[in-house]
Amino acid sequence: AQKITQTQPGMFVQEKEAVTLDCTYDTSDPSYGLFWYKQPSSGEMIFLIYQGSYDQQNATEGRYSLNFQKARKSANLVISASQLGDSAMYFCAMREAYLAAGNKLTFGGGTRVLVKP
Amino acid sequence: DAMVIQNPRYQVTQFGKPVTLSCSQTLNHNVMYWYQQKSSQAPKLLFHYYDKDFNNEADTPDNFQSRRPNTSFCFLDIRSPGLGDAAMYLCATSRDLGGRDYGYTFGSGTRLTVV
Repeated sequence: AQKITQTQPGMFVQEKEAVTLDCTYDTSDPSYGLFWYKQPSSGEMIFLIYQGSYDQQNATEGRYSLNFQKARKSANLVISASQLGDSAMYFCAMREAYLAAGNKLTFGGGTRVLVKP
Repeated sequence: DAMVIQNPRYQVTQFGKPVTLSCSQTLNHNVMYWYQQKSSQAPKLLFHYYDKDFNNEADTPDNFQSRRPNTSFCFLDIRSPGLGDAAMYLCATSRDLGGRDYGYTFGSGTRLTVV
């Protein structure tokens, strides 16, 4: 079974508008962390935002916010005021705490975002 | 600046010819990971080192090996590259804080082409 599901393979967004990228996850571990990464065409993986399973508040980092709905097991990324430089692949990822030897990160399939001027 | 550096950025190798990709870090993180990312796909974990302990993923082919001679360096060896091994290889590090950490630091990746 997929642990991380991103149902939107690609989407267009108008510059200066907000966009929501969907992510659902599956785990039985009560302690986990959710991450969003941006990957431009150059290939590097850029960390955007983190949400811990016990965090009471939704995470925010500048123009990025995470809509965390624990009961629904969803962690959607909201990018406000889109910029042309936001065009990239976006990955949702999860770390489960059960693994004693290292914090293994599992990625979703990604969503390609193209910002239109 | 502390970072994760991967060399080379682009690597072309011949079918069947052993190739080594390298990763170094100045973060003093105790965990290092190697991910394989094929075109338009999610990164897939191959293996990771927790300190000196090697942890292989169950579905990682035997063709892929790794070495970590010290905290700073980690190598990915592909013993006999096939055309299907062409991919971006990403190295990442993390500091195990006992459950809560704010992210993993990724290198810029090595894009491997097999000819």
